[in-house]
Parts: sequence; C-alpha cells; structure tokens
Amino acid sequence: QVQLVQSGAEVKKPGASVKVSCKASGYTLTTFLIHWVRQAPGQGLEWMGVINPGGGSTKYAQKFQGRVTMTRDTSTNTVYMELSSLRSEDTAVYYCAREKGGAAPAKNFDYWGQGTLVTVSS
Amino acid sequence: QSALTQPRSVSGSPGQSVTISCAGTSSDVGGYNYVSWYQQHPGKAPQPMIYDVSKRPSGVPDRFSGSKSGNTASLTISGLQAEDEADYYCCSYAGTTYPYVFGTGTKVTVL
Repeated sequence: QVQLVQSGAEVKKPGASVKVSCKASGYTLTTFLIHWVRQAPGQGLEWMGVINPGGGSTKYAQKFQGRVTMTRDTSTNTVYMELSSLRSEDTAVYYCAREKGGAAPAKNFDYWGQGTLVTVSS
Repeated sequence: QSALTQPRSVSGSPGQSVTISCAGTSSDVGGYNYVSWYQQHPGKAPQPMIYDVSKRPSGVPDRFSGSKSGNTASLTISGLQAEDEADYYCCSYAGTTYPYVFGTGTKVTVL
C-alpha cells in the first residue's frame, strides 16, 4: 500500500538548518510529484513547494525562496526538504504529500506523510 | 498569494447538514476546477475528502459533497455524524507561478 513515512521530530536553534525526509513506498516515486506543506501550532496549512522526483525540478512558494531546498534520492525512494536560517516562526509540523504527475497532473494531494514537528528555540 | 477565506467554525446536530464556504478570487477558485477539500483530526495528517470541486476519492462517504459558484467553493456534509467533527481545509490550484493556496480552515463541531 502507498505510504509516505517522514523522519522524526527535530529541535533546532535559530539560524540553523533542518532537513526533513519523506520515504515513499508502494508506488513508483518518479510518477508522482511530492509537495511540502507546513502547519504552525494552532494554525492552518501552508503550501511550501513541490519537487518532481523524476527530473528533480522544483518550484517554491515565494515566501520560502532562498531558504528552502527540495531534493530527492531515487535510489532510496526518498525526498528531502531543507529549510535554512530558521527562526521561531518556522516552528511547525511539516508534511509531505503526493500528487499524481505526468502529462496531466492531478492538482490535489491523495496521500500525506504523518508529519514532522520542527521546533525552533534558543 | 493570500489564503482562501473560510468561516472559522460551523456546527450542527447529528443528522443535520452543514456547509463550509471557501472564498477565493478569479486567479484561483474561480479560474480553475481544481478545488480540493481535506479533513484533519487533531494530531493527524490531513485526509482528502473532495477533489476537482466535486469528486470523492474512493472510501469517502457520499455524505460529503462539493460544489463551486464563481469564486466560492463549498463543502456540504449531510447527515452529520460524530466522527465528522474535525478541521476542514479547502485548497485551490492557482496557476503555474504560485500553484497552490489553502483556505484558512474551518472547525466543524457536532453538537
């Protein structure tokens, strides 16, 4: 069955970077796009960006341009999201989510990872 | 890219119907038939309930339905059940430059 399994919780100091992983199983990684969505405590969902694991192309929300990097390792079916220059406002649960790719992308997210809590605190 | 506007909360008694609105613009909700809805229980990941405005993924009860008129999309839950108590988020495709925008979220309470 399809699963997206994320890495565990992280605690980071302001100014540091964090790298969260999302390991896919149950399907061919390169046929689906992987998005990253975050949710600050008590707040709503915020789209961060997307990576096409097939070719590695990315698109990031303007808010995160210059601070976020999404990469993939097709040999391990894993996608990564790295966020740098962390500040307290980056404290959130970070989710990966899948979108069917190809010539006609689905434009919705059919499977989500369990989420990774990133806490930024001095 | 501004978040889509949803009511903060809606409530209803078991068996009743509730409708959640999701107001956007002609650049997102009004411009594409790619509105999706996600249910989120506390401490859990979002789960898809509706995609392409009105389609239900396999396994989602037909009590859940979606629609759109102009720049506003709606999710209706008919025959409300206790397990429907959760947060609900709409999401719209918004073009190639800034592809996705979420709604502000609505808490559904079953009285």
